[in-house]
Amino acid sequence: DAKTTQPPSMDCAEGRAANLPCNHSTISGNEYVYWYRQIHSQGPQYIIHGLKNNETNEMASLIITEDRKSSTLILPHATLRDTAVYYCIVRSRGGKLIFGQGTELSVKP
Amino acid sequence: EAQVTQNPRYLITVTGKKLTVTCSQNMNHEYMSWYRQDPGLGLRQIYYSMNVEVTDKGDVPEGYKVSRKEKRNFPLILESPSPNQTSLYFCASSLSRGGSPLHFGNGTRLTVT
Repeated sequence: DAKTTQPPSMDCAEGRAANLPCNHSTISGNEYVYWYRQIHSQGPQYIIHGLKNNETNEMASLIITEDRKSSTLILPHATLRDTAVYYCIVRSRGGKLIFGQGTELSVKP
Repeated sequence: EAQVTQNPRYLITVTGKKLTVTCSQNMNHEYMSWYRQDPGLGLRQIYYSMNVEVTDKGDVPEGYKVSRKEKRNFPLILESPSPNQTSLYFCASSLSRGGSPLHFGNGTRLTVT
């Protein structure tokens, strides 16, 4: 499974969009990009995933570049409750799901 | 409600005393996995299972055992716990397809003295 690279931390103003980048330059054709977040020591929470196309759900949008070597998670209107560690992961069918160090997002008033 | 249930939430034990952390899911998922989380090391996979009676080592399997006798249950067994197994443990499950999200339990905080 491909490795991912994320910035260790980011700040975002409350109400503004949070754009979290992720590099996955060794991703292969059958690997999906997943985003999870973890608040304190709770279980990681699934946010969104995609293969090639951009995706949107009630929580976030996922933008995947055409070459699939990087992606961006967008939280359109960040709130204080979005403060968490965000993990970008690539995963193939039934494969290991390898978590990196993630990005610690701080949403500030 | 669809969920992954781990028990216990907190456990304090002594070195060498065998213990089992249970994990159960009610979503008919084929894939199940155990992770441990330690400060500075992130989430690391211990074991995973693609289906009943099929288990494989993850990145840090030493000192752990698992079994998958039924689809819904995936217990984590520490035959002889040691202090370096003090950690926060998470169980997770998903359908086996690559495009299926992993659902996590709420965690078990284990302390081995």
